[in-house]
Order: sequence, then structure tokens, then C-alpha cells
Amino acid sequence: DTEVTQTPKHLVMGMTNKKSLKCEQHMGHRAMYWYKQKAKKPPELMFVYSYEKLSINESVPSRFSPECPNSSLLNLHLHALQPEDSALYLCASGRQGTLNTEAFFGQGTRLTVV
Amino acid sequence: GQQLNQSPQSMFIQEGEDVSMNCTSSSIFNTWLWYKQDPGEGPVLLIALYKAGELTSNGRLTAQFGITRKDSFLNISASIPSDVGIYFCAGADSNYQLIWGAGTKLIIKP
Repeated sequence: DTEVTQTPKHLVMGMTNKKSLKCEQHMGHRAMYWYKQKAKKPPELMFVYSYEKLSINESVPSRFSPECPNSSLLNLHLHALQPEDSALYLCASGRQGTLNTEAFFGQGTRLTVV
Repeated sequence: GQQLNQSPQSMFIQEGEDVSMNCTSSSIFNTWLWYKQDPGEGPVLLIALYKAGELTSNGRLTAQFGITRKDSFLNISASIPSDVGIYFCAGADSNYQLIWGAGTKLIIKP
């Protein structure tokens, strides 16, 4: 199994809603990442988890809350988002334990905030 | 901060043509990665390069890690319709943070 699986594929949420994005990998990778990608732009790093501990937070607003329940799972909890948060949210995993190289991406969650 | 200059921004090509794109930086990188992204999908890793001067192939794709460690190129030979998409380079710096290029959009002429 060489996949990173993200659910849901699409999500529409209101600005007062609470929702969660989920990510799972079974490649034995100990680094997992959340990226945000706007149209026609490269991915922007949000968070890095290394050995289930948050190692990098790229100054992401607190309305985004990551969680890593175990080495295979990564969640992104969303609350009180703004329309400008609409984007493709990508999860990735990597072989490096603490560092951000050679990331393998899921297919993403297309998020629309209304 | 560090930046990668990826060119060209877009390319119109005929099926069967060879394609070349490159990334340059003012800083040294330890790793170069090339990704392809289709619409609505996540980036897919095509080739990873770890040593200066390294030349690596993956089917019709060939990429090289520049000898100065400040550039990399990706070549696609005999392009086919499924090659369309956006190609991103990404370099890992001494802190192993990934710096991304802006992408090269490949379009097949009808």
C-alpha cells in the first residue's frame, strides 16, 4: 500500500460550522504534513508532525487545529473558517522523521467555505 | 527568503515533442524533487535527486541535479496527451524545508 488517503474529497461548510479533514497512510512514514493549495499556486506548508508530535506550525491561524492520533492518522479540525480559507487541502507523508523532504501526497480535500 | 525560479510558466507542445523545464535558485539545495499535479488531484512525485550531478530517469522522464546544486531540469521525451498537467520542482535546503517553484503548465496543442 503506497497511498495517502484523504477524506472527504469535497467539503462545503459554513463559517460557523465545525468539520474535520482526515488523512491516513500505511507506508510506515513517521512524518506527516498538512498543506494548503490555492488555484494555480504551489502547495503551502501548514503543519508538520514528526513521530506524532507537532514539529512545525507555519504561523497558521488557530481556526485550523491539527491532530495526530497515531503514526498512520492525521486530522485537521476546522472551526469558524473564512471564505478565503477555501482551497485544496493536501495531506502528505514522508520517510524523513523530522524533516520535510520527499513528501508523498494524498489527492486532497477541496474545501469551500460559504 | 529563498525562492525557486521555475521556467517556463507554461508550454504548448505537439504530441510527440520533447519537453524541457528547469528550476534555478540563488541558494544551494540538498535535494531536488519533481512533482506532477493533475487538476483536482494531489501532486505525484516523479523523480527525487539527492546528489549534485545526479541524472535520474523514470520512463520518458529524465531529471538532473545541477552540479552547482542551485538548479535542476526535467525533460520529457516524446510527449503524450496524459503528460498535460502542472509540473512543480521543489528543493530541500540545509534545514530540509521544501521550497517550491511556481509550476510549469504543460498543454498539448490540439
